[in-house]
Amino acid sequence: NAGVMQNPRHLVRRRGQEARLRCSPMKGHSHVYWYRQLPEEGLKFMVYLQKENIIDESGMPKERFSAEFPKEGPSILRIQQVVRGDSAAYFCASSTGTSGSRSDTQYFGPGTRLTVL
Amino acid sequence: GNSVTQMEGPVTLSEEAFLTINCTYTATGYPSLFWYVQYPGEGLQLLLKATKADDKGSNKGFEATYRKETTSFHLEKGSVQVSDSAVYFCALNQAGTALIFGKGTTLSVSS
Repeated sequence: NAGVMQNPRHLVRRRGQEARLRCSPMKGHSHVYWYRQLPEEGLKFMVYLQKENIIDESGMPKERFSAEFPKEGPSILRIQQVVRGDSAAYFCASSTGTSGSRSDTQYFGPGTRLTVL
Repeated sequence: GNSVTQMEGPVTLSEEAFLTINCTYTATGYPSLFWYVQYPGEGLQLLLKATKADDKGSNKGFEATYRKETTSFHLEKGSVQVSDSAVYFCALNQAGTALIFGKGTTLSVSS
């Protein structure tokens, strides 16, 4: 069973460009979470999605950031007009959502390391 | 609000030494508790978890017990190896959505 897949693993963008990060959950998982890890810090929650629905986006910056999880295909985290402060590692996690909410285990992908020049 | 506090690192140990990484939490209800490990350049791997008070999670020689009375979930291993060198994150899940992470503790084990 393949794990959570993310691509690209490394992404370099210039200020003002768009960054598009992809996440394919584990087989059988219908819940996707995005987290951001800034240097020397822990992971911070950004957004939680199920197929075609955003469930919780309380950690998402109000501007320039958006996320989707379409019926077909991977989840996408989009950052428009990137700035240097967006440089970070972005991790996607997935879960089945069936074992009880708070005990449901989230499995993480390898991350996308975004560098903004 | 909910939060997780981990001991500051880095923790530097010799091979076969005993490891403890402290983790305490603040939560309004009864969260599930997790330890994740991150090797350099990689994503997080689940190490162990506990879903209710007095549960003990264990994996690969690591253990942690959910202590409600002290709101703690300390990670222990009796004999560390060089291959255990990594960053360890304590986390809780209260509401079934976001994991709330501590800042991470870097462990360095030398032979």
